[in-house]
Amino acid sequence: GAVVSQHPSRVICKSGTSVKIECRSLDFQATTMFWYRQFPKQSLMLMATSNEGSKATYEQGVEKDKFLINHASLTLSTLTVTSAHPEDSSFYICSAIDRESEQYFGPGTRLTVT
Amino acid sequence: GENVEQHPSTLSVQEGDSAVIKCTYSDSASNYFPWYKQELGKRPQLIIDIRSNVGEKKDQRIAVTLNKTAKHFSLHITETQPEDSAVYFCAASIGEYGNKLVFGAGTILRVKS
Repeated sequence: GAVVSQHPSRVICKSGTSVKIECRSLDFQATTMFWYRQFPKQSLMLMATSNEGSKATYEQGVEKDKFLINHASLTLSTLTVTSAHPEDSSFYICSAIDRESEQYFGPGTRLTVT
Repeated sequence: GENVEQHPSTLSVQEGDSAVIKCTYSDSASNYFPWYKQELGKRPQLIIDIRSNVGEKKDQRIAVTLNKTAKHFSLHITETQPEDSAVYFCAASIGEYGNKLVFGAGTILRVKS
């Protein structure tokens, strides 16, 4: 099956700083990628849809100025958490859609804001 | 918007028994229903999916049934094994292109040996 990677796998940052998370489709091109957030013992919540070459679309309640998304190429989308605060600590997971419209998840990034 | 409800939240079964997890959805336009298994700290893994043009799909010990009229779908795992212990999520597709997913709350499955 298709492979999606994320980097970093874990990151600890101080409150007020920004963190960038990368999502890459390794063996296929993805015009669409998704970003999810998962708090402990909870489900995955869709944050935004990342479209190659155009602006991301955000789900209701997700601040676009706080969670900056850039889909610069067909294999890379980045999520930047700006001015991170402890409440942003979570497991961030991306997914990418292949030509068959199947969705593949990345391994996730554990963000801890101190 | 779409709302996906999943039951039960936890399920304990004896090894070898069957496990059933049920989900309901609200958006009649949803046409794709995947099930994911997630182990602690890992990514969700697709275990089976079904599209709205079929009512049942089976893959070895795993099966999914879909009732579009009632807007519910179920995951059936037979002959459960300890390695089946994990969190299971159902999801339903939404959006203009039907490629966004709304997830259920998850079911913690424990298979006791």
